[in-house]
Amino acid sequence: EVQLVQSGAEVKKPGESLKISCKGSGYSFTSYWIGWVRQMPGKGLEWMGIIYPGDSDTRYSPSFQGQVTISADKSISTAYLQWSSLKASDTAMYYCARGLGGSPDAFDIWGQGTMVTVSS
Amino acid sequence: EIVLTQSPATLSLSPGERATLSCRASQSVSSYLAWYQQKPGQAPRLLIYDASNRATGIPARFSGSGSGTDFTLTISSLEPEDFAVYYCQQRSNGPITFGQGTRLEIK
Repeated sequence: EVQLVQSGAEVKKPGESLKISCKGSGYSFTSYWIGWVRQMPGKGLEWMGIIYPGDSDTRYSPSFQGQVTISADKSISTAYLQWSSLKASDTAMYYCARGLGGSPDAFDIWGQGTMVTVSS
Repeated sequence: EIVLTQSPATLSLSPGERATLSCRASQSVSSYLAWYQQKPGQAPRLLIYDASNRATGIPARFSGSGSGTDFTLTISSLEPEDFAVYYCQQRSNGPITFGQGTRLEIK
């Protein structure tokens, strides 16, 4: 079964760092883009960026460039989203998703989401 | 950055009725347009890609049409499980963007 399994919910304080993960299985991890999507409470979907684990080609939304870092470790089929200094406004659900057919035109497999809560 | 505008924001219909959801792009996205369904507490699910292709396992009552700047998602006869929020998403030149969503609610 093709799936993406994300790491568990996190509760952090402002200023702390965080790295969440997304592990792919059931397919060739290096051959498909992985995207990250933010959903703030009660709001819509926001695309953050994508990475191609085969060569680590990474692209960011202008809104998130410099705010987060996307990476991948192809040896363990895992993509990451990290922050160096969290803010309360980073409180959201974060989803990873696989690019359909090896391109980032659409995303066909989604992780279950990781809820990140940032509060003092 | 391409802006996607979905309309209406909320659509109230009854089971069995036909639903028509619109997505308009601020500039042409060719056919690089996808539609997703999201239910409360769940991840989004891909319905349509490349404007008119149904994703694997998606019922035939869902169809997509359009190209360039104007796109439509049609649900031919609503089932109770179709009431959810629907998003369009484009991948053309520049960053990927989503529309703000249309909430399909039971009348």
